Amino acid sequence: RKEVEQDPGPFNVPEGATVAFNCTYSNSASQSFFWYRQDCRKEPKLLMSVYSSGNEDGRFTAQLNRASQYISLLIRDSKLSDSATYLCVVITSGTYKYIFGTGTRLKVLA
Amino acid sequence: NAGVTQTPKFQVLKTGQSMTLQCAQDMNHNSMYWYRQDPGMGLRLIYYSASEGTTDKGEVPNGYNVSRLNKREFSLRLESAAPSQTSVYFCASSPEANYGYTFGSGTRLTVV
Repeated sequence: RKEVEQDPGPFNVPEGATVAFNCTYSNSASQSFFWYRQDCRKEPKLLMSVYSSGNEDGRFTAQLNRASQYISLLIRDSKLSDSATYLCVVITSGTYKYIFGTGTRLKVLA
Repeated sequence: NAGVTQTPKFQVLKTGQSMTLQCAQDMNHNSMYWYRQDPGMGLRLIYYSASEGTTDKGEVPNGYNVSRLNKREFSLRLESAAPSQTSVYFCASSPEANYGYTFGSGTRLTVV
């Protein structure tokens, strides 16, 4: 089993739709979690951290479920500009070894 | 505010040639990293430097060496390039462990 797993997609959604991605992790000692966004042929950019209590940034909501060992990203009112690949990152406490998922590709359609 | 700067952006090497990828950050971050990204494999850590003066192996260090020249600069060297090293290479930095990274724009390397 991979340490971090994501559905590769693509998720094709119309503009204005709500879409959610999950990312599962296998190491129960994982302590820090992030979502990154990567546009085609560009570098990943930090989208948001994922806190135990969940967090929201505008149209984006991130949640952590420790019992089931997954994190989620919810995007409301999807925009064409949200089309990208979304990478989850899992970090084991006290290490510098960030484990990246392979990404979920989102296409928002006009 | 440049963030993380990588050079070169593109490079083609012949098998057996050597080269150094340069990375510099201007955010006073302690930690720096080198990753490679391949289709279907995601980002894999090659080497990292937790702080100035230290370097450690990541998941795929074979065929690479690194130098943390000072707090700002972290270089990646390919001593004898192989076609399996064809990839996109990203440098990143973070203030400390457990913080989000800032990535450079990447180096697209092709080894023929």
